[in-house]
Amino acid sequence: DTAVSQTPKYLVTQMGNDKSIKCEQNLGHDTMYWYKQDSKKFLKIMFSYNNKELIINETVPNRFSPKSPDKAHLNLHINSLELGDSAVYFCASSQFATESYEQYFGPGTRLTVT
Amino acid sequence: SQQGEEDPQALSIQEGENATMNCSYKTSINNLQWYRQNSGRGLVHLILIRSNEREKHSGRLRVTLDTSKKSSSLLITASRAADTASYFCATQSQGGKLIFGQGTELSVKP
Repeated sequence: DTAVSQTPKYLVTQMGNDKSIKCEQNLGHDTMYWYKQDSKKFLKIMFSYNNKELIINETVPNRFSPKSPDKAHLNLHINSLELGDSAVYFCASSQFATESYEQYFGPGTRLTVT
Repeated sequence: SQQGEEDPQALSIQEGENATMNCSYKTSINNLQWYRQNSGRGLVHLILIRSNEREKHSGRLRVTLDTSKKSSSLLITASRAADTASYFCATQSQGGKLIFGQGTELSVKP
């Protein structure tokens, strides 16, 4: 019954590796997001997809590449991981992108780069 | 860029007391939303207030919005230990992007 799920919950890896985080929502929403929360709990949007189309692409290194195979899934692939990538990554979804709709968040993936 | 600034950064109260958190923002908005984050969890939506609304209630929550001062407040009445969490305001403008504040850490002691 989980609305927005992410895997894995924890990810520990070494610098230079490539890793992926998966996200799925079963709410039938059109729009999905990736956020990064740093150690000071500051939450910043990275990407947004509406019906598989990229609509928000913040100033994020191109080592980060989102992929949306269908509107229920939004995965995040990170190449050549750096120490500064350590953070908690949250996936979220909302019914539509531009209207005043609440966002539903996944439980987060804590990424630690050593 | 960060839109919202929250005040206070941390708040510690006794169970049964009221908790008030404030949020200020810089640009015009369509709506402002409040979210709660329990330790180690994702964010949970609490309440949304549109730019043409001044006050909204949901259970023990009361939110106000003053667009002339570009500020909002969240009041939690009769707080409980289970209200212990971080509370974030987030503004939404054209394009749908949510911009979050730094958050207020609320601790409610039993």
